[in-house]
Amino acid sequence: AQSVTQPDIHITVSEGASLELRCNYSYGATPYLFWYVQSPGQGLQLLLKYFSGDTLVQGIKGFEAEFKRSQSSFNLRKPSVHWSDAAEYFCAVGLYNFNKFYFGSGTKLNVKP
Amino acid sequence: GAVVSQHPSWVICKSGTSVKIECRSLDFQATTMFWYRQFPKQSLMLMATSNEGSKATYEQGVEKDKFLINHASLTLSTLTVTSAHPEDSSFYICSASHRDNSGELFFGEGSRLTVL
Repeated sequence: AQSVTQPDIHITVSEGASLELRCNYSYGATPYLFWYVQSPGQGLQLLLKYFSGDTLVQGIKGFEAEFKRSQSSFNLRKPSVHWSDAAEYFCAVGLYNFNKFYFGSGTKLNVKP
Repeated sequence: GAVVSQHPSWVICKSGTSVKIECRSLDFQATTMFWYRQFPKQSLMLMATSNEGSKATYEQGVEKDKFLINHASLTLSTLTVTSAHPEDSSFYICSASHRDNSGELFFGEGSRLTVL
């Protein structure tokens, strides 16, 4: 079945530590890939997206993600986490010229002082 | 940036009544709008995709007669939950893609529906 998988439900990291959130997809063709962040009580904000070209994409707030076709992955990374990064992160894929968008189950990030 | 507004933010209704939720793109034209349902501590489940002037495309398992979607203009889509029941209580979120097809989705603030 086609899906977007975020295997980590919760992740806790110390402030200043590096972060990697995993995302895998299973679709026939390379989809358009996105990472969104949802803070408590707020809507979703786009962190970054990948359509084509350079497989390492830079986003806002110091986040980056790398598309690996061979692994069907689009993992999100940040070299040094800030307390304000505590939120829920969703990986999403867009299909069929953006007529379909599907989200992963989300990863909740906690940041320890 | 582009703004998508949902109304109402909160709604409480009695079982058996119908509730309409509006989703508006305030400063851009949205060719496609999406409706999602988010259960507590879960991800967004795509319910349907609507294109302006045409019938919505529903995801498998979503009752089209239960969740009526209308996309009458390039700036407005509505979701009507008909004959609501307590199990319909949820957080409903809309999103819109810009007419320039840049691929970015802009999200509304969400509408929390509680059916008593």
